[in-house]
Amino acid sequence: GNSVTQMEGPVTLSEEAFLTINCTYTATGYPSLFWYVQYPGEGLQLLLKATKADDKGSNKGFEATYRKETTSFHLEKGSVQVSDSAVYFCALRYKAAGNKLTFGGGTRVLVKP
Amino acid sequence: GAGVSQSPSNKVTEKGKDVELRCDPISGHTALYWYRQSLGQGLEFLIYFQGNSAPDKSGLPSDRFSAERTGGSVSTLTIQRTQQEDSAVYLCASAPTYRAGAGADTQYFGPGTRLTVL
Repeated sequence: GNSVTQMEGPVTLSEEAFLTINCTYTATGYPSLFWYVQYPGEGLQLLLKATKADDKGSNKGFEATYRKETTSFHLEKGSVQVSDSAVYFCALRYKAAGNKLTFGGGTRVLVKP
Repeated sequence: GAGVSQSPSNKVTEKGKDVELRCDPISGHTALYWYRQSLGQGLEFLIYFQGNSAPDKSGLPSDRFSAERTGGSVSTLTIQRTQQEDSAVYLCASAPTYRAGAGADTQYFGPGTRLTVL
């Protein structure tokens, strides 16, 4: 079946550091890929998405590129802020499996000033 | 603007009791999803409604779980004879109509209902 694996946290960084969160997936076919973010005390929000191979999603300084050859969708940000402290979830949606999202386990990121 | 709302925000119940969780999707969204977020299982899909089609119930963990969507809008998730392992945050999401062949439609999540079964 479809599955998503992402690096376990917590990830602790200093402000202005570079952030990478690894995400790989297993799916038959070509899913759409997403990163969702959950800030403390808030609901899940879509951060970015990519719907086909080599697409790059970007938002709020975050980027992720859909790599079919490595089945990956790693999230990166060049200079994190304290306000980026949150839990990040990688997810896929595969049309043939319905419209539901399959999530990774989440990665907690803590940015210290 | 009005997003997805869920009620109650917190629910504490005793083992064996039934509970109902409510979701009000964004107006005009035809797709509605329930997920749950628990420490042991992460975020997992429960059920999906799309317009007037039969719901996709493939994620419901047992027959104690059921959901309805009345009038294509509000949805209620019911858990009968609650067990301690049902303790989790139950999330509802809605999305505009999924168009076959189009790009992925964004799912908008509500704040969740935290269920604690004692």
